[in-house]
Amino acid sequence: GAVVSQHPSRVICKSGTSVKIECRSLDFQATTMFWYRQFPKKSLMLMATSNEGSKATYEQGVEKDKFLINHASLTLSTLTVTSAHPEDSSFYICSARDSGDSYEQYFGPGTRLTVT
Amino acid sequence: GQNIDQPTEMTATEGAIVQINCTYQTSGFNGLFWYQQHAGEAPTFLSYNVLDGLEEKGRFSSFLSRSKGYSYLLLKELQMKDSASYLCAVMDSNYQSIWGAGTKLIIKP
Repeated sequence: GAVVSQHPSRVICKSGTSVKIECRSLDFQATTMFWYRQFPKKSLMLMATSNEGSKATYEQGVEKDKFLINHASLTLSTLTVTSAHPEDSSFYICSARDSGDSYEQYFGPGTRLTVT
Repeated sequence: GQNIDQPTEMTATEGAIVQINCTYQTSGFNGLFWYQQHAGEAPTFLSYNVLDGLEEKGRFSSFLSRSKGYSYLLLKELQMKDSASYLCAVMDSNYQSIWGAGTKLIIKP
């Protein structure tokens, strides 16, 4: 089956530092990847849609200069949280859409970010 | 606007059957997904419906009525491990997924 990995699974960083999260599709090519954020007991909130080789499309209210997304290859997208603040602490989940599939999204295991 | 409605929380008994409803209003429709999400984990795919009717997959079934903007997820022979949140998501005319807030299902022995 389609597998998406995410690294790291947990990260703790200090305010003002930057954190990079990697999302990889392991056994399929993903022209489109999605980045979500989820607060406790809340649903997924789409942050941005990342297309390989082009700029990401950010949802309204998401600061593109703060949440840098790069989708350099068909199997890798990265999310960098720049100058992190405690309010950025959240569960970040990526998903990938198989280029040749039925639009099903395959989710990574998520990254728990804690900013102190 | 676009919205997905599903109950916030449901409780059921081990071994029983539960139906989780989802109603939607979206600009266009290109399919409806159900996902299961255990606390602290990412969602996992359960089903995809694009045509009207019932899709059965083991203990889980999903139903869709496009004319009514309605779907349900049916879980049979409930097990304790089915305690999770169940998310309904609709793909609109732009193939963007619109997510419901999720239904937290609590299974009691």
